[in-house]
Amino acid sequence: DAGVIQSPRHEVTEMGQEVTLRCKPISGHNSLFWYRQTMMRGLELLIYFNNNVPIDDSGMPEDRFSAKMPNASFSTLKIQPSEPRDSAVYFCASSLIANLAGQPQHFGDGTRLSIL
Amino acid sequence: DQQVKQNSPSLSVQEGRISILNCDYTNSMFDYFLWYKKYPAEGPTFLISISSIKDKNEDGRFTVFLNKSAKHLSLHIVPSQPGDSAVYFCAASVGDGNKLVFGAGTILRVKS
Repeated sequence: DAGVIQSPRHEVTEMGQEVTLRCKPISGHNSLFWYRQTMMRGLELLIYFNNNVPIDDSGMPEDRFSAKMPNASFSTLKIQPSEPRDSAVYFCASSLIANLAGQPQHFGDGTRLSIL
Repeated sequence: DQQVKQNSPSLSVQEGRISILNCDYTNSMFDYFLWYKKYPAEGPTFLISISSIKDKNEDGRFTVFLNKSAKHLSLHIVPSQPGDSAVYFCAASVGDGNKLVFGAGTILRVKS
């Protein structure tokens, strides 16, 4: 059973460049989450989608960040222009939409982003 | 404003003994709590969860206890094994259960 697939696993790029991170959720899951992990802030939620619709983007740090989910099997997180402080590990996770109780989220292995 | 706190950055335990990882929360609206385990270069993996209507949930060597009055939960691992060495995250959700708030994590080292 394929888990959440993220690409690339590592990305090194220069400041000012556009960065696109990709995520394929688990088939059948209808919620998708983007997280960022840093030493300072830990694991923080950036944005999440239910049925391909953005529900809460309050964690997106600024307008340089954008996320899309054009269909149920693909999502992107874009940073344009990138800055050194964006360096972090970015995780994508998916789950079934919870009704009464939470559903565990299943995480990909992350993209380690380094902005020089 | 940290709503979920794991105050111990690290914990070291001898193999075969009990590991106890603690988590405190401030939002009384949280109604679902989860523990995740994370190995280096991998994503967090779901371990065990508990609903606010329960005070204990057990799965093999892993037990989670919830004390709502103290806003505290703990994860017990018995017996601890070297393969349990990882970072453990506590997480909580409220309302629709979709949005998780994570603690900063505790590094567990199980020595053989």
